[in-house]
Amino acid sequence: EAGVTQFPSHSVIEKGQTVTLRCDPISGHDNLYWYRRVMGKEIKFLLHFVKESKQDESGMPNNRFLAERTGGTYSTLKVQPAELEDSGVYFCASSSNSLGGYAGELFFGEGSRLTVL
Amino acid sequence: RKEVEQDPGPFNVPEGATVAFNCTYSNSASQSFFWYRQDCRKEPKLLMSVYSSGNEDGRFTAQLNRASQYISLLIRDSKLSDSATYLCVVNMGWGKLIFGQGTELSVKP
Repeated sequence: EAGVTQFPSHSVIEKGQTVTLRCDPISGHDNLYWYRRVMGKEIKFLLHFVKESKQDESGMPNNRFLAERTGGTYSTLKVQPAELEDSGVYFCASSSNSLGGYAGELFFGEGSRLTVL
Repeated sequence: RKEVEQDPGPFNVPEGATVAFNCTYSNSASQSFFWYRQDCRKEPKLLMSVYSSGNEDGRFTAQLNRASQYISLLIRDSKLSDSATYLCVVNMGWGKLIFGQGTELSVKP
């Protein structure tokens, strides 16, 4: 069974440009998450989809970030316009259990490394 | 104050050593607790869940103390392949995970 896949693995862009990251969760997983790790900091939650709906987007840093999950399958995270502080590794994760408050084991993708120059 | 605090290390130990990692968390509403392992430039992977009763998985033992908001991980008989960063992780519910900064372990021959 394929794991969580992310694309691109690495993106280098200039400040002010736009980048779109894509995540394909494990097939059948209703829960999809975006996390990111900026240099020297811990991994931080960005947002959570249940199917196509945003369950929690409390971690999104500002309105330059837009996440979508049309049709409840893959998700995209767009950064527009990118700033220097957006550099880091963006991880996507998925899980199958959506009962109550426990979402089961999260399976992470290998991450998309974003470098903003 | 960070929500989940860990000693960043690095911990440099010889093969066969026993090593212990500690972690504290600040939010008493935290629902569940985990240790994740992250190899260099790879994704975090679940190592084990942590329960108040303590739980063991082979050479790994995890413990949770809810009263003092403290989590531990003990690795016995360290192997070279145990070298990685160990992440203390708290679930606030619905998979909203709060990560510690990670403790780096390097096991030497």
